[in-house]
Amino acid sequence: GQNIDQPTEMTATEGAIVQINCTYQTSGFNGLFWYQQHAGEAPTFLSYNVLDGLEEKGRFSSFLSRSKGYSYLLLKELQMKDSASYLCAVKKGANNLFFGTGTRLTVIP
Amino acid sequence: GAVVSQHPSRVICKSGTSVKIECRSLDFQATTMFWYRQFPKQSLMLMATSNEGSKATYEQGVEKDKFLINHASLTLSTLTVTSAHPEDSSFYICSATGLAGGLEQYFGPGTRLTVT
Repeated sequence: GQNIDQPTEMTATEGAIVQINCTYQTSGFNGLFWYQQHAGEAPTFLSYNVLDGLEEKGRFSSFLSRSKGYSYLLLKELQMKDSASYLCAVKKGANNLFFGTGTRLTVIP
Repeated sequence: GAVVSQHPSRVICKSGTSVKIECRSLDFQATTMFWYRQFPKQSLMLMATSNEGSKATYEQGVEKDKFLINHASLTLSTLTVTSAHPEDSSFYICSATGLAGGLEQYFGPGTRLTVT
């Protein structure tokens, strides 16, 4: 199987910055995705990394280190609507995605 | 663009019956569709991958005779849960990738199955 680990839960304050980590051990690595999922809804795409480094997209940034099997998602200027689960997913081969356990983020006032 | 729909959004069925869930790509042709299952407070587990016109590839531990997948066209895949049991109650989500081979998988809104 795929060993993809994330913290189960995190809490952060509105307006702050939060970093959600993801570690993985897998063969055939072909990129890493971050998705946001609100309860009872489908995941929505946030970011994709295939090369080492930081990808920035507005309030969201994602970092990848392939040699360390490590990624993080950085959320800035947190808003209440950012309360959701954040899923790290490793792509293997052409298309297959394998998801981590997900991190439930709660943003408090 | 890149919208994926699922039908039904919720379904309740009795033990022993079969349920069919449809996944459609509305504005693009999906060469590959994926079926996931998600139990409460857990992440998505890939069940199978299907390519249009060929047999689905199932992940280890997923019974292909119980979860029948048909990808008959470039816009439709179906998942049939046969002889459903209460432990099959779950959130089933499909996703699709397009002909252009884009990076993203586009996810449907999910189907909540409850087996009584």
